[in-house]
Amino acid sequence: DAGVIQSPRHEVTEMGQEVTLRCKPISGHDYLFWYRQTMMRGLELLIYFNNNVPIDDSGMPEDRFSAKMPNASFSTLKIQPSEPRDSAVYFCASSSSRGGTEAFFGQGTRLTVV
Amino acid sequence: AQSVTQPDIHITVSEGASLELRCNYSYGATPYLFWYVQSPGQGLQLLLKYFSGDTLVQGIKGFEAEFKRSQSSFNLRKPSVHWSDAAEYFCAVNNAGNNRKLIWGLGTSLAVNP
Repeated sequence: DAGVIQSPRHEVTEMGQEVTLRCKPISGHDYLFWYRQTMMRGLELLIYFNNNVPIDDSGMPEDRFSAKMPNASFSTLKIQPSEPRDSAVYFCASSSSRGGTEAFFGQGTRLTVV
Repeated sequence: AQSVTQPDIHITVSEGASLELRCNYSYGATPYLFWYVQSPGQGLQLLLKYFSGDTLVQGIKGFEAEFKRSQSSFNLRKPSVHWSDAAEYFCAVNNAGNNRKLIWGLGTSLAVNP
């Protein structure tokens, strides 16, 4: 298995632009998580899905952030409009209800908003 | 409230020395416990996990951890550290139910002197 795949690995954008981060979970996993990691706040859970349905989005910072999971093999995290304080590393992770509860992480997307 | 505390923000050890990274949790129910490692520029990789049974669990890369319910601790240990172990280490916990939402510590940064 190729693991959790995120794209792009790096993104540099100007303030005000729309940014879309993509994630392909491990095949067969029914949970998908979006995290944000910064030096100041560490690892924060933004939102997670179960069977493509958002379960908890209480970590989404504000309305500028949105996430979708149109099918079991793809999810997006969108920021519109982006701001410099959104600069962070964004991780996607997936897990399976049929196995252990551990999450498997992608390599992350490093977002820089200038 | 549920929480995970990693008291040591940064630790430096000499190569070949033993290592112990501390993790304390506050959780009402029986927890599932995890240790993850993050190398620079990489995603998080699971080192080991505890669900039930033997309180001493073995993981990858020669790491082990011991669950002590009386102390609400899940400390990570390695008898002899290698330079390649330099990384960020995260402790995480979730409940034993179907909720896959992990509560994370802020991490411990490990440096290894040659």
